[in-house]
Amino acid sequence: TQLLEQSPQFLSIQEGENLTVYCNSSSVFSSLQWYRQEPGEGPVLLVTVVTGGEVKKLKRLTFQFGDARKDSSLHITAAQPGDTGLYLCAAIPNGNQFYFGTGTSLTVIP
Amino acid sequence: EAGVAQSPRYKIIEKRQSVAFWCNPISGHATLYWYQQILGQGPKLLIQFQNNGVVDDSQLPKDRFSAERLKGVDSTLKIQPAKLEDSAVYLCASSFYRTSHEQYFGPGTRLTVT
Repeated sequence: TQLLEQSPQFLSIQEGENLTVYCNSSSVFSSLQWYRQEPGEGPVLLVTVVTGGEVKKLKRLTFQFGDARKDSSLHITAAQPGDTGLYLCAAIPNGNQFYFGTGTSLTVIP
Repeated sequence: EAGVAQSPRYKIIEKRQSVAFWCNPISGHATLYWYQQILGQGPKLLIQFQNNGVVDDSQLPKDRFSAERLKGVDSTLKIQPAKLEDSAVYLCASSFYRTSHEQYFGPGTRLTVT
């Protein structure tokens, strides 16, 4: 079993649509991060959420950390082709070992 | 500032051969990570260095994988001998200090084992 389960695994939508990606776990985290990875490149950090219930916005992207700090969501408004990529959540359940989620592959069709 | 550098970008080898990957982290970053990423999945941490010391290598297949970070800067990851299931992208990342958790990734090395 994966420590961080993401859903959906694949998502293909039309430009202008909205979408939400989920990251779930049975563990409690002190913080959680979201990354985006484009083909042929390494992941790039988008945001770090720390407080339960916290909401952060990055242009058209809205990130929320669950009240119990076990889950998180990423909502994209009016998706654009440039949003295409692999979205990864990541967290450290204990100690200092990083765990990445299973990933959500997003394709935005022009 | 320059990002994390990795080489080579691509490598094709036959099973049972050896291969080595090189990583140069961002200047001043004390923590260095090596990850293995199977196509379409999230990266899996193989080993974490703090300066030239190993912090965590619990998921490193030590019978065939080895890594070193001499002088606390550059690092190399070696596979010997390679298996078909080692085909993946190997990512290197660095962070300023151990608890910053803000990692900067290199472009990765795509390994194909035939």
